[in-house]
Amino acid sequence: EVQLVESGGGLVKPGGSLRLSCAASGFDLNIYNMNWVRQAPGKGLEWVSSISKSSTYIYYADSVKGRFTISRDNAKNSLYLQMNSLRVEDTAVYYCARGVFGLDYWGQGTLVTVSS
Amino acid sequence: DIQMTQSPSALSASVGDRVTITCRASQSITSWLAWYQQRPGKAPKLLIYKASSLESGVPSRFSGSGSGTEFTLTISSLQPDDFATYYCQQYNSYSWTFGQGTKVEIK
Repeated sequence: EVQLVESGGGLVKPGGSLRLSCAASGFDLNIYNMNWVRQAPGKGLEWVSSISKSSTYIYYADSVKGRFTISRDNAKNSLYLQMNSLRVEDTAVYYCARGVFGLDYWGQGTLVTVSS
Repeated sequence: DIQMTQSPSALSASVGDRVTITCRASQSITSWLAWYQQRPGKAPKLLIYKASSLESGVPSRFSGSGSGTEFTLTISSLQPDDFATYYCQQYNSYSWTFGQGTKVEIK
């Protein structure tokens, strides 16, 4: 069974940092592009970042470029999102999701709250 | 960035109704469009990819059509499980973008 489990969310002050992790199981992570998508409370979905199978290609939304870093460790079946210089507007549930032609599996999400 | 505009933002419908949701792209995305269903407190679920391909396990009452800049998601006979919010998403080019969502409510 394919599973994606996010962790690392929590409460952080503006300007702070947080590292999210996504543990993948039930499939070969080596052959899939992976992504982060977020959803602010009561709002719609926003794509954050994507990384190709071997980390060759990486993309970011303009809203996080220069502050967030996506990475992966295929040997550890894991995806990461390092978030620096956090802002109040980064408050959201962060989902990891698999795929490139449609996101076919999603984790349950981890809540990041940026507040003083 | 490519803007995705869904209409309507919300609709009320009854069980058994035929429901159509429209998604317009600000420029051509050929057929690189997906549709998702999201129930409250849950992660999105992929329904349709490449504009009209039904994801494995998704009921056949869901269908997608369109190409270029205009797309539709149709639910042929609304079921109680279908009351949720639906999003379109373009993956023609980065930055990927989602529509603002269409909330389907019970009449």
